[in-house]
Order: sequence, then C-alpha cells, then structure tokens
Amino acid sequence: AQSVSQHNHHVILSEAASLELGCNYSYGGTVNLFWYVQYPGQHLQLLLKYFSGDPLVKGIKGFEAEFIKSKFSFNLRKPSVQWSDTAEYFCAVNEWGNNRLAFGKGNQVVVIP
Amino acid sequence: EADIYQTPRYLVIGTGKKITLECSQTMGHDKMYWYQQDPGMELHLIHYSYGVNSTEKGDLSSESTVSRIRTEHFPLTLESARPSHTSQYLCASSPAYEQYFGPGTRLTVT
Repeated sequence: AQSVSQHNHHVILSEAASLELGCNYSYGGTVNLFWYVQYPGQHLQLLLKYFSGDPLVKGIKGFEAEFIKSKFSFNLRKPSVQWSDTAEYFCAVNEWGNNRLAFGKGNQVVVIP
Repeated sequence: EADIYQTPRYLVIGTGKKITLECSQTMGHDKMYWYQQDPGMELHLIHYSYGVNSTEKGDLSSESTVSRIRTEHFPLTLESARPSHTSQYLCASSPAYEQYFGPGTRLTVT
C-alpha cells in the first residue's frame, strides 16, 4: 500500500521566514501529488497539485512545490510566510488510475507575528 | 471548487445509539469518499463510491456503512455507536483525481 511521510510535525517560525515542508512517498510508479491546507476552524482545501509536466508547481497564496521523482519527494515551500499561513498542511498521493488518496500525518505550522 | 455539505458539524451521543452522518455535494461528482481523522494523525479512508449504487470499503476497517442512492448524497451510518467511534469524519467528492472536502463532523460517543 502507498505510504506518505511528513516529518517535523510541529513547525514554529516567525513572519517573513521561509518555510519548507518535506513529503516523501513509497510508490515507485506514476503518481499524482497534492498538498492540502486546513486553516483553524476551516475545512481541508486544495493548495496545489501535480499530475505531469513542469515539476515545479505554483499554488495559491504564494506556495510552490517541487516534484523530484528520483527522491520520491514533493516538498512544499513558501519564501516568506505570514501569520495567516498558520494551519495544518497535508501531503497526499494517489497512483495513476487509482483515485484513492493516501495522506501523510500533516505538519502543524504556527507563524508568530 | 465543489460545495460539500456535512451535517451535523458536531454530535455528542450515547453508546448504543444509531447515527447517520449526512454528506451532500452540488457539483455532480461521481466519486465520493469518507475519511476518519484523529487529532495529529493522517486521514484514513473508510468508504468510497464511484457512482450511484456503488460503494466500497476503504483502507481502514470501519463498523459504519454507507449508501449511494443519489449522485449528490453519500450518508454514513453507525448502527450502534461506541466510544471507539469518537473521531472526526470527513466527506469528500471528486471529478477525477483531486478531492474536495466538506467541513467534517466531529463525533463524540459517551
């Protein structure tokens, strides 16, 4: 079964700092990759997705993620965070032809003003 | 983006009661999913459906059941709630690979 690893479950940083969240998956075939965000009191929202093409994907609110196939990774980045980026971030993966998503355990990110 | 509705948002209920968690979507998506999520943990798929009259169990064993009589509606039922069912239940729908989530139902069984 597919597994997704997210490290550093709790991240605390100051405004304007850079953020990078790691995501690694176990499946060796073709995959679709996603980052979801859950702001306090809100539902899970799609932040960005990768299906094919340019491995550097731009998402909403200044986030981007890079797919590195050789490392089975899909790391999320933002150059300068804001207090409003405080949220939980989940990486998710599915295999081509399989619509079922496997999720990581999430990263709880707290941005201090 | 899909509009996904879940009711109730919060439910506290006694052991042995039958409960139904409602999930509806307005985008006509064929694929719908139920996940269970505990604090600090990943989402676990418990049921999914790829269309009307199609339901399958997910990766995490669950005592709940689901039905899909209409495209827009995917309710989850627990015949006899137990404290071990205390969790957050998230519903999602999908047009293809990406999934869109509802606000969730936080269930507490006392």
